[in-house]
Amino acid sequence: DVQLVQSGAEVRKPGESLKISCTGSGYAFSNFWIGWVRQLPGRGLDWMGIIFPANGQTSYSPAFQGHISISADKSISTAYLQWASLRASDTAIYYCARSDRPRELYVMDVWGLGTSVTVSS
Amino acid sequence: DIILTQSPESLAVSLGERATVTCKSNQSLLHKNKKYLGWYQQRRGQPPKLLISWASTRESGVPDRFTGSGSGPDFNLTISNLQVEDVAVYYCQHYYSPPLSFGGGTKVEIK
Repeated sequence: DVQLVQSGAEVRKPGESLKISCTGSGYAFSNFWIGWVRQLPGRGLDWMGIIFPANGQTSYSPAFQGHISISADKSISTAYLQWASLRASDTAIYYCARSDRPRELYVMDVWGLGTSVTVSS
Repeated sequence: DIILTQSPESLAVSLGERATVTCKSNQSLLHKNKKYLGWYQQRRGQPPKLLISWASTRESGVPDRFTGSGSGPDFNLTISNLQVEDVAVYYCQHYYSPPLSFGGGTKVEIK
C-alpha cells in the first residue's frame, strides 16, 4: 500500500526550532513531488510548499517563504518541514501529501494523517 | 498568484437532496485542453481525501453521486442524493502552477 507516515505531535516554545517528518512507502519516493499543507485550528487548508526528492527542487508559497524550510532525504524516503524560530501562530496541524503522477506537480492523492504542532510559552 | 473563491461557506441539505459547491478562479486553469483543478473532502478529524481531478475525473472508489463540472472561471462540485457520510468540508485546489492554492472550503451539513 502507498502511504505517508508522519512524525508525532510536538509542543514547543516560541523561538524554538522544529523539524517534522513524512516517510513514504509502497512507491518510488524520489520520483513524486511531496507537498506540505497547514491547517490552523478550525480553519481551511493552506498550501505551504513542495519538494521533488530526486533532486531537491523546492517551491514555496510566498506566505511561508523565509519562515520554513522543506527538505528531503531520498535514501530514507523521508521529507521534512523545518522551522528555525517558531511563533505561537504556527500552532496547527501539518499534512504532507504526494502528487499523483511521477515527476509532475498535480493533485495530491495520498495524504499523511497530520502532525499537530503546538507553540506556547 | 491564483486565488480560488468558494461559495457558499456552508450549506445544509436534506438527506437525498442535492448540494452544489462553487469554486471561482481569478485566472484560467486551462492548459493543453486540461483543467488543472481538483476537489477534496475532509471529514472531521481526518486528512483531506481526493475526490476529483482535472475538474471532472472521479477518483477510483468515489461514489458516482459526486460530480465535478465547469471549465472556468467557475467550477462546481455537485453531490447528488446526499448521504450522512457526505457531511464534511469540501475544498477545491488548483495545480496549474506553483504556488498551488486551495479555496476557503465549504461545509456541507444535513438539514
